[in-house]
Amino acid sequence: ELKVEQNPLFLSMQEGKNYTIYCNYSTTSDRLYWYRQDPGKSLESLFVLLSNGAVKQEGRLMASLDTKARLSTLHITAAVHDLSATYFCAVDTHYNTDKLIFGTGTRLQVFP
Amino acid sequence: DAGVIQSPRHEVTEMGQEVTLRCKPISGHNSLFWYRQTMMRGLELLIYFNNNVPIDDSGMPEDRFSAKMPNASFSTLKIQPSEPRDSAVYFCASSSRLLTEAFFGQGTRLTVV
Repeated sequence: ELKVEQNPLFLSMQEGKNYTIYCNYSTTSDRLYWYRQDPGKSLESLFVLLSNGAVKQEGRLMASLDTKARLSTLHITAAVHDLSATYFCAVDTHYNTDKLIFGTGTRLQVFP
Repeated sequence: DAGVIQSPRHEVTEMGQEVTLRCKPISGHNSLFWYRQTMMRGLELLIYFNNNVPIDDSGMPEDRFSAKMPNASFSTLKIQPSEPRDSAVYFCASSSRLLTEAFFGQGTRLTVV
């Protein structure tokens, strides 16, 4: 059974600081997605990573994928309050049954 | 395109009643997913369809839950009878292999009292 784990689960950080969220998964896959969810809202797609070594950047967020290590990272640079949200990674198990399984989520709070 | 459309946005019902949640996927998308989100269990995949056919329903919690996709533009998730522990936000999402990522609807917040 595919498992997708994120850490940390909660992250409280000061504005201007850098931090990394980790996403580990338990089965072979070369498709990984990052989503953002604001409180009471739906999920918004941030990044789509489709191959080993893929790196995507948007503003203060950068995502990378290492399929050999079954690891993806979401790096936050110089955090600002607007980045406060819950971040999810999701893995596509298309090698087997084409499911899209989500991680536990990382709740990020950025304070002044 | 208006995106994935779910209805209703909020539903409050009494225990034992039947509840039907509806979803209209993005036109041209051939995969549709139903998720349930709770604080305790996070985002759980309940069932997903490909080309209107249920591919994996192993996430459906019990026989009280059923889902259908009679055509490419409509899906329902039904709970009968509903119980308080079914209270959650239910999301529908759709995707196309060409686009790869899944797009989510606004969700239905279900409260069973």
